[in-house]
Formats: sequence, C-alpha cells, structure tokens
Amino acid sequence: GQQLNQSPQSMFIQEGEDVSMNCTSSSIFNTWLWYKQDPGEGPVLLIALYKAGELTSNGRLTAQFGITRKDSFLNISASIPSDVGIYFCAGTVYNQGGKLIFGQGTELSVKP
Amino acid sequence: EPEVTQTPSHQVTQMGQEVILRCVPISNHLYFYWYRQILGQKVEFLVSFYNNEISEKSEIFDDQFSVERPDGSNFTLKIRSTKLEDSAMYFCASSDFRIPYEQYFGPGTRLTVT
Repeated sequence: GQQLNQSPQSMFIQEGEDVSMNCTSSSIFNTWLWYKQDPGEGPVLLIALYKAGELTSNGRLTAQFGITRKDSFLNISASIPSDVGIYFCAGTVYNQGGKLIFGQGTELSVKP
Repeated sequence: EPEVTQTPSHQVTQMGQEVILRCVPISNHLYFYWYRQILGQKVEFLVSFYNNEISEKSEIFDDQFSVERPDGSNFTLKIRSTKLEDSAMYFCASSDFRIPYEQYFGPGTRLTVT
C-alpha cells in the first residue's frame, strides 16, 4: 500500500540552528502537506504543496514538493523553543476521497 | 479564527459498549474526516464524508464503525461494540470544497477502552 517514510525520527538541536526533515515514498502523491502536532493536541497544518517542484514558504518554514512527486522536505530556519513538537508529512492521491496518508513523524527538540 | 471542535476530550468506556464521538467542523466546510492515532504512532485515516455519504474508508473502518451528520453542524463517529484495541486519539477534520486536501484537525478525543 501507499506509505510515507519520514526521516529523521527525532532531532535534538540548539536554538537558532536550521532544521531539515524529509519524506519519501515509493508511489506518487498529488499533494503533499506538512503538519505539526503538540502533545495532546491535533495536527496543525503548516504548508500545502500542489505542484511538482513547488517551493513554498510560511514564515521560517520552507517546504518543497519533489520533482518525481515521491518526496518532500521541510526546512525550519533559526529554530526557537516553540518549534518543539512532532512534524508529520502527509500525502494525498486523487480520487481517494481526500484520504491523507501520514508519515511516522519527526520529533523535534530545541535546546535553549 | 474558525476551528474544529470535538467532544468529549476524554472518554472511558468498557469493552463491548457503544461510544459516540462528536465533532463540529468549521462552518463553511463540506468535507469531513475521521482519523485515529494510537499512542506514539502515526495518524491513520478512517473515513471521509461528503454530501451525506461516505467517500472513502480504510480497512480499519469496519462494520463496527459508522458516521453521521445528524444536523447542519455536527459530525459523529459511532463505535458499536468497543474493543481494547480501539483505544486511541480520534481526530475529526474538515476541509473547504475549493481546497479539499487542506484538512483542519480538531483537538481530538482520547478514547480509553477498559
């Protein structure tokens, strides 16, 4: 079935550092999304990508939709303590009722 | 800013009991979804709902599960006879018909089956 492999599983960084995480799949996705989840809360949409090669920013976040449609990355620049949380990539395929397939998540810890 | 709300925040039930989880999607959204997340694991799709019918469902969404939009604002997930393995966080999400893939999630209901 469709699966997303997200890496790394966890990251421990110093405040101010840049962060990069990525998501790959063996199958093509038509839309890639990145979500952040804080403990005990629901995922919050950060960025949505619709076109192969698309590069989109949201403040200090930048995400790209891979040319092959099988991967995406998320970069966070100049990390701050409130960036702590779990980041999930998610993908969709047309004609599947909007079903989002999630990656396993990257847990980010930021040391002040 | 409009948001998805869910009630209750935590539900404890005994195995074999029926539970209904409630959601109020964002008011102008037309696509509705349920997902679940077992503790420490990824978010898994259960079902999507549009125009008063199920659009897509996963293998998890078997005959024990049902969804309903009983009125113009609520969207519910019913589990008829809960099992221990149904213990998880259940998230409702909704999206606008113009950008259906941008789904906005509620805070979740933690279901504990004992």
